Amino acid sequence: EDKVVQSPLSLVVHEGDTVTLNCSYEVTNFRSLLWYKQEKKAPTFLFMLTSSGIEKKSGRLSSILDKKELFSILNITATQTGDSAIYLCAVGSVWIGANNLFFGTGTRLTVIP
Amino acid sequence: GAGVSQSPSNKVTEKGKDVELRCDPISGHTALYWYRQSLGQGLEFLIYFQGNSAPDKSGLPSDRFSAERTGGSVSTLTIQRTQQEDSAVYLCASSPDGARTQGKLFFGSGTQLSVL
Repeated sequence: EDKVVQSPLSLVVHEGDTVTLNCSYEVTNFRSLLWYKQEKKAPTFLFMLTSSGIEKKSGRLSSILDKKELFSILNITATQTGDSAIYLCAVGSVWIGANNLFFGTGTRLTVIP
Repeated sequence: GAGVSQSPSNKVTEKGKDVELRCDPISGHTALYWYRQSLGQGLEFLIYFQGNSAPDKSGLPSDRFSAERTGGSVSTLTIQRTQQEDSAVYLCASSPDGARTQGKLFFGSGTQLSVL
């Protein structure tokens, strides 16, 4: 059974801290791993990773994939209160014509001033 | 350009009533997904439409749930005889092509359904 597991489930940090969010997966015919940020209702896309060892970076956020060990991490440096959100990890498989995207339960990050 | 549009944004209904939730995807997007998110939970897959192919309904939790997509565009999710456990945010997402874009979805703002 395909599954995506995120840890921790929730995290509370102070502004300026660095956090690392984890996503491990067991998905048949892996195609891609994606990170989304959900602040209110609509998740917004952050990163898509398809190759091991290549870091994707956007400002204070970065992510990397390890296809051998089947996990990804999302790093946020110098956290700000605006980073408070649920961070969702999703893994896509190559199946066409059927649901091919599997979401984890998310990590709820709270950044306090 | 317009994003994914969902309506209504909020729906309060009585137990046992039927509800219809609407999703208007980004024009030209062939893939459309419905998800359900209960309070404090992750995204629960419900149904997936890809072009003119038969939809993947494997995530629908019971036969009270159904969805259709007319003309490859607008989709309606129908919940019959609503129960209190149906209360959740229902999210719709679309992508240009489910296979090619490898999972990059564009989400609507969801419908918050409350069943009293």
